[in-house]
Amino acid sequence: RKEVEQDPGPFNVPEGATVAFNCTYSNSASQSFFWYRQDCRKEPKLLMSVYSSGNEDGRFTAQLNRASQYISLLIRDSKLSDSATYLCVVNSGSNYKLTFGKGTLLTVNP
Amino acid sequence: EAGVTQFPSHSVIEKGQTVTLRCDPISGHDNLYWYRRVMGKEIKFLLHFVKESKQDESGMPNNRFLAERTGGTYSTLKVQPAELEDSGVYFCASSQVARRGEQYFGPGTRLTVT
Repeated sequence: RKEVEQDPGPFNVPEGATVAFNCTYSNSASQSFFWYRQDCRKEPKLLMSVYSSGNEDGRFTAQLNRASQYISLLIRDSKLSDSATYLCVVNSGSNYKLTFGKGTLLTVNP
Repeated sequence: EAGVTQFPSHSVIEKGQTVTLRCDPISGHDNLYWYRRVMGKEIKFLLHFVKESKQDESGMPNNRFLAERTGGTYSTLKVQPAELEDSGVYFCASSQVARRGEQYFGPGTRLTVT
């Protein structure tokens, strides 16, 4: 079983749509959780950290369920510029090495 | 503030040759990480430095890979001799001591071994 599993995608949505990404992780000792965004042939960039209480940043909402070992990302009112690969990322150890999911490609269409 | 930089951006070498990748972290970031993404797979951790010390090299594939960070500034990752399966994108990342979970990635080096 992979340490971090994501929806395989790809997702194709129209502008203005709401889209949700799901992710599960296998290591119950995981401590920190993130969503990164990666544009084509670019480096991953931190989108947001994910907290147990859930957190929101503009059109983006992240949720964490530790009991189910489940993480989600909701994007409301999708923009063309949201088109990218979304990476679910978990840190499980004290040295903060990151474990990545394979990513889910999102394409927002006009 | 300058971000993480990596050199070269692309490298094409033949099997059996040696390649050295370089990473310059964000100034003041003591933590430096190397990751790799091979085609069709997820990004995977290779190793972690705190200043000049290797904290975790559990992700290094084998002894053909050697990473150094002399003086605790830039880091190099040498592959010798390169094999076909070493092809991929090698990312370097850095983070501040206090916020190690949030890492800043460089643009990567795309390595092709033919």
